[in-house]
Amino acid sequence: DTAVSQTPKYLVTQMGNDKSIKCEQNLGHDTMYWYKQDSKKFLKIMFSYNNKELIINETVPNRFSPKSPDKAHLNLHINSLELGDSAVYFCASSTGTARFFGPGTRLTVL
Amino acid sequence: EDQVTQSPEALRLQEGESSSLNCSYTVSGLRGLFWYRQDPGKGPEFLFTLYSAGEEKEKERLKATLTKKESFLHITAPKPEDSATYLCAVQDMNTGFQKLVFGTGTRLLVSP
Repeated sequence: DTAVSQTPKYLVTQMGNDKSIKCEQNLGHDTMYWYKQDSKKFLKIMFSYNNKELIINETVPNRFSPKSPDKAHLNLHINSLELGDSAVYFCASSTGTARFFGPGTRLTVL
Repeated sequence: EDQVTQSPEALRLQEGESSSLNCSYTVSGLRGLFWYRQDPGKGPEFLFTLYSAGEEKEKERLKATLTKKESFLHITAPKPEDSATYLCAVQDMNTGFQKLVFGTGTRLLVSP
């Protein structure tokens, strides 16, 4: 059974477009996250939600808007995509300290 | 600001050749230090959490240790399937449990 799932796995789009990435976890965790991993493999937190409430917003441009319809889902919507948004985006969940990561979404902006 | 530095950036070993990966960290107060394994095209997979200096954790050929300034991931008699990027991360007591600061990882390649 998949613990943390993301769709799509790959996303190729033009500059200026709007796109969404979906994430679901079936672990019963209260906290979910979005991370961005750049080309140098540096993994940086973007957002954290606890029970559908935003806890962390790490100086991310407001073109990025997370939405948590319920405790098991945390989606990421990105407006007006820019070249610098190209990266791998990981969703994760936790019940305490250890994170459980999804498989990632590779976003390429042309 | 919390910082994590991992070394070496890349490490190539022969099968059976033991070695260690280093993670140096700077935090105002350590809540926990984490090791993850990341395979190409996949998300990081949790390995260990260490909470206090002197603590050790083991899993198969991997052993993680912690001091007040660094952590080591010792790999004993590695096999090719241990090839992956190993990520270290810290959680600061003063920033809440939601925030993890990651290092850039050590890419390990084990040749048969």
